[in-house]
Amino acid sequence: GAGVSQSPSNKVTEKGKDVELRCDPISGHTALYWYRQSLGQGLEFLIYFQGNSAPDKSGLPSDRFSAERTGGSVSTLTIQRTQQEDSAVYLCASSLGSLPNTEAFFGQGTRLTVV
Amino acid sequence: GENVEQHPSTLSVQEGDSAVIKCTYSDSASNYFPWYKQELGKRPQLIIDIRSNVGEKKDQRIAVTLNKTAKHFSLHITETQPEDSAVYFCAASTAQGAQKLVFGQGTRLTINP
Repeated sequence: GAGVSQSPSNKVTEKGKDVELRCDPISGHTALYWYRQSLGQGLEFLIYFQGNSAPDKSGLPSDRFSAERTGGSVSTLTIQRTQQEDSAVYLCASSLGSLPNTEAFFGQGTRLTVV
Repeated sequence: GENVEQHPSTLSVQEGDSAVIKCTYSDSASNYFPWYKQELGKRPQLIIDIRSNVGEKKDQRIAVTLNKTAKHFSLHITETQPEDSAVYFCAASTAQGAQKLVFGQGTRLTINP
C-alpha cells in the first residue's frame, strides 16, 4: 500500500467494552510498533514486533492490553474492559527492517474515546 | 532501558529567528537519533536523522548535532517560518536488544509572525 493504514480512524466505546484496533503496515516492512498518544502528550511505546522474533511487550500498561501480528503483516491491538484513561490516539508505525537502518513510517492513528 | 529527555516542552520564537530543541539519552549503546515533526491532527513524520558515526547533519534550514560523550543531541531550525509550527519529537534507538524507538516528550514550537 501507499502507507501505513489504521482502522477505524475514530472509535467511541462505552466503559467496560472491548475494542480492537487494526494496523496495516507498508508491504514488506518487517518491524511494527504501537504507540499511544494522550492529548497534548508524547509518544508512549506499547509493543514492538520484528519479523518472527518474540514481540517486545514491555510498554503495555496492563494485562487488559494485548496485540498480535498475523502472518508478519497486519496487527491488531486489543483493549479489554476499556477504562476512561484508555482514551487516546493509538499510533502504529512500521519500518523496512530493524533500526537503525530505516525510517519508521506512522499511520494516521485511531482516536479512541471511552465514555 | 533507554530513557530520552527533551527540552523545552514549549518554545515560542519570532519568525526568522532560530529555534533549538535539546534531547539527552541514557543508553550509551544508542546509535540512531531521528527527529519527527507532528503538525496538528496529523501523523509524526521524519524530518532528519543522525547516526552515531557523525557529529552533525544539515538539510536546508534544519540541522542536528550529536555529542556522544555527553549523550545529547539537538535540533536546530534557522530562519523559522510559520509552517515550522508543530510538535517536534526526538528519539533514540540502539542496534542491540529490542531496537525500539524511544521518544522524548515532545516540544511544541510556535512561530510568531
